[in-house]
Amino acid sequence: KQEVTQIPAALSVPEGENLVLNCSFTDSAIYNLQWFRQDPGKGLTSLLLIQSSQREQTSGRLNASLDKSSGRSTLYIAASQPGDSATYLCAVNTGANSKLTFGKGITLSVRP
Amino acid sequence: DVKVTQSSRYLVKRTGEKVFLECVQDMDHENMFWYRQDPGLGLRLIYFSYDVKMKEKGDIPEGYSVSREKKERFSLILESASTNQTSMYLCASSFRARGNTEAFFGQGTRLTVV
Repeated sequence: KQEVTQIPAALSVPEGENLVLNCSFTDSAIYNLQWFRQDPGKGLTSLLLIQSSQREQTSGRLNASLDKSSGRSTLYIAASQPGDSATYLCAVNTGANSKLTFGKGITLSVRP
Repeated sequence: DVKVTQSSRYLVKRTGEKVFLECVQDMDHENMFWYRQDPGLGLRLIYFSYDVKMKEKGDIPEGYSVSREKKERFSLILESASTNQTSMYLCASSFRARGNTEAFFGQGTRLTVV
């Protein structure tokens, strides 16, 4: 059974810092991996989708990488801002009708 | 832009009531999902549907049922609401094709059962 882990559960950084959020998964047979952002009390917003054949995906200050063989993905946030404060979740799609398995998320706080 | 709309942001229901949560998507997605999210437990899949009138149980289907009569609409039904079903409920949709299955979520429904 696929398991997705995100450590640490919470992170606090000063504004302007470049940071890396980690995601690991136990079964490397995935179709894709998706990163989401969730603000308190809200739904999930899709940030990046990486297909299994890709190594990286970029959107603005965000860059996500995927290493299937080692079961790892990272989300890199450049020049962090207080508006980046949110919970970041990764989810893997193992292809069984596109069901996603989620990590529990990393709650990021960016201090002004 | 893909839009997934849940009918309510907040709901308060009494124990034993039958509760309907509605979700509508406008992108012609085949797949639709219902998750619940609880502190410390993360997102857990309740039910999903990959086509009209088709449904499959997720990880925690007990106490819930679903209905998908039209492609764009997926309903979650709490047959007899209980306090342990107090939670945040999230609906999602995606294409079925394996190459493009980016999932999009609604804004969530915070359900409180008293």
